Amino acid sequence: DQQVKQNSPSLSVQEGRISILNCDYTNSMFDYFLWYKKYPAEGPTFLISISSIKDKNEDGRFTVFLNKSAKHLSLHIVPSQPGDSAVYFCAASLLIGNQFYFGTGTSLTVIP
Amino acid sequence: DAGITQSPRHKVTETGTPVTLRCHQTENHRYMYWYRQDPGHGLRLIHYSYGVKDTDKGEVSDGYSVSRSKTEDFLLTLESATSSQTSVYFCAFRDRGTNEQYFGPGTRLTVT
Repeated sequence: DQQVKQNSPSLSVQEGRISILNCDYTNSMFDYFLWYKKYPAEGPTFLISISSIKDKNEDGRFTVFLNKSAKHLSLHIVPSQPGDSAVYFCAASLLIGNQFYFGTGTSLTVIP
Repeated sequence: DAGITQSPRHKVTETGTPVTLRCHQTENHRYMYWYRQDPGHGLRLIHYSYGVKDTDKGEVSDGYSVSRSKTEDFLLTLESATSSQTSVYFCAFRDRGTNEQYFGPGTRLTVT
């Protein structure tokens, strides 16, 4: 059973606009969340993370929001750039655990 | 460069043959992981290791075995490859200091 879900397989956004990628999880025990970015023929690379004690974390153009009551997190990219075109995976873990649980990914296309 | 490599990067093999994929990390991390990536499924954990000779199963471990005789090497073996094991395989290590995973470049395996 998928514990981390990304319900939008793809998203297209105009350059300069905001991209919002969404992720839902089912296990309320998860206390650490991450976003990874993946280009074709490369391994995923870490983008940004957030712990459950926070509801927002910002790093340059990237902001992750966490809504624990809704078991939902989102990644905002502002402004979107063509180089942001990639597949984005969200992931969740327990800080004391050993495993990461990944969503199915959202393919973002930023149109110049 | 995250200090993690995978070999081979591409492999084509026939059904029923054994296959071993190698993951090598240079930073002495204790935790290592093997994932497979398939369309519509995202990244799914096959096996992971939390130290030399200490391994555990992930959600899709059937048909796979692993070995970790040295900290730096984590081997994934398909004892008798099947067409359903055609996939892209990623290895990763976990940095316990940052709680992030760092991925290798992937191995594309085709079983004919």
